[in-house]
Amino acid sequence: AQSVTQLDSHVSVSEGTPVLLRCNYSSSYSPSLFWYVQHPNKGLQLLLKYTSTATLVKGINGFEAEFKKSETSFHLTKPSAHMSDAAEYFCVVTPWNTGFQKLVFGTGTRLLVSP
Amino acid sequence: NAGVTQTPKFQVLKTGQSMTLQCAQDMNHEYMSWYRQDPGMGLRLIHYSVGAGITDQGEVPNGYNVSRSTTEDFPLRLLSAAPSQTSVYFCASSYRDRPLETQYFGPGTRLLVL
Repeated sequence: AQSVTQLDSHVSVSEGTPVLLRCNYSSSYSPSLFWYVQHPNKGLQLLLKYTSTATLVKGINGFEAEFKKSETSFHLTKPSAHMSDAAEYFCVVTPWNTGFQKLVFGTGTRLLVSP
Repeated sequence: NAGVTQTPKFQVLKTGQSMTLQCAQDMNHEYMSWYRQDPGMGLRLIHYSVGAGITDQGEVPNGYNVSRSTTEDFPLRLLSAAPSQTSVYFCASSYRDRPLETQYFGPGTRLLVL
């Protein structure tokens, strides 16, 4: 079965410092991987997605993620945190072999950004 | 396009009551789904539909019912509400057979069962 593990439930950073949110995946097939963000009391917004054409994926708002098959990881990074980045982030996997998107969510990482 | 819309935004129910959460999309997406979000558990798939007249169970289907009579609408019914169904419910839609296509989420319905 496909699954993702988000290694940190909370990450705290100072504004202007780098952000690292960790995600490991488990999949028997070549997976599709996504990062979604949820701001307080809002719906989910797609940050970026892994399309298997490039291991380094760039998303919105300066975020990027690197797919590492050897480590089964898809960590999310940003060089410099902004106060508006404070939100909950979900790593998501969907198996390639299905004809539709049955998204499997990680448990989420709450990013706290202090001034 | 309005995207994915959900009503109501917030609802309080008593144990045993029934209700329907509405979801609609205007993007002509074949695939629609319902998730519930609980603290520390991420989002879990309740039911999904790959087209009008076709529905299937997800990870946590018990206590919920769905139907898909049109492409646009995918209502979620709580047959007899229980406190364990207190949660935030999200509807999502996307094109079928496009696993890399973005899945669009509605704003959510916050449900409290007393």
